[in-house]
Amino acid sequence: EVRLVQSGAEVKKPGESLKISCKASGYKFTSYWITWVRQMPGKGLEWMGIIYPGDSETRYSPFFQGHITISADKSITTAYLQWSSLKTSDTAMYYCARGDRFRFDYWGQGMLVAVSS
Amino acid sequence: EIVLTQSPGTLSLSPGERATLSCRASQTVSTDFLAWYQQNAGQAPRLLIYGGSNRATGIPDRFSGSGSGTDFTLTISRLEPEDFAVYYCQQYDNSSGFTFGQGTKLEIK
Repeated sequence: EVRLVQSGAEVKKPGESLKISCKASGYKFTSYWITWVRQMPGKGLEWMGIIYPGDSETRYSPFFQGHITISADKSITTAYLQWSSLKTSDTAMYYCARGDRFRFDYWGQGMLVAVSS
Repeated sequence: EIVLTQSPGTLSLSPGERATLSCRASQTVSTDFLAWYQQNAGQAPRLLIYGGSNRATGIPDRFSGSGSGTDFTLTISRLEPEDFAVYYCQQYDNSSGFTFGQGTKLEIK
């Protein structure tokens, strides 16, 4: 069974750093992409970026480029999304999902990040 | 960047009725790269349709996708109570990656 399990909710202050995780199981981690999607409160889905754990090739949405870093650790089949300096506007639900030929077929349960002073 | 515009923003229908949701792209999209998702309140999105018209694993056959070029449609033939949710289309293009439409909310009339 394919599963993507995300880390628990985080409450942070502006300017702090954060790294959230997405643990994959039930499939060959290095053969599929992992993507990250943002959903701000009451809003739609926004694609942030994607990584291929097999060779760490990474692509970012132009909107998020420079503000986030996506990485993966093959040894523990886990993908990460990190910020070096959070803003209040980063408050959102974040989803990871498995990418298979231009669609996202399995999703994590989501993780809430709240940024407030 | 290719922009996807979904219409209507909100669709009010009754169980048993037919739902037609539209997704229009600002430039031509390859059908292979067009997908649809369903998101119920408080839940993660779920893949419904990929490649424009292929149902994902476990998706009932009342869901169908069609279209090409810049105009795509998701049709739900007979609405069940669990179908009332928000629906998103999504596309991929090599220059800017993936984009989602803004969503259509399907609500009970």
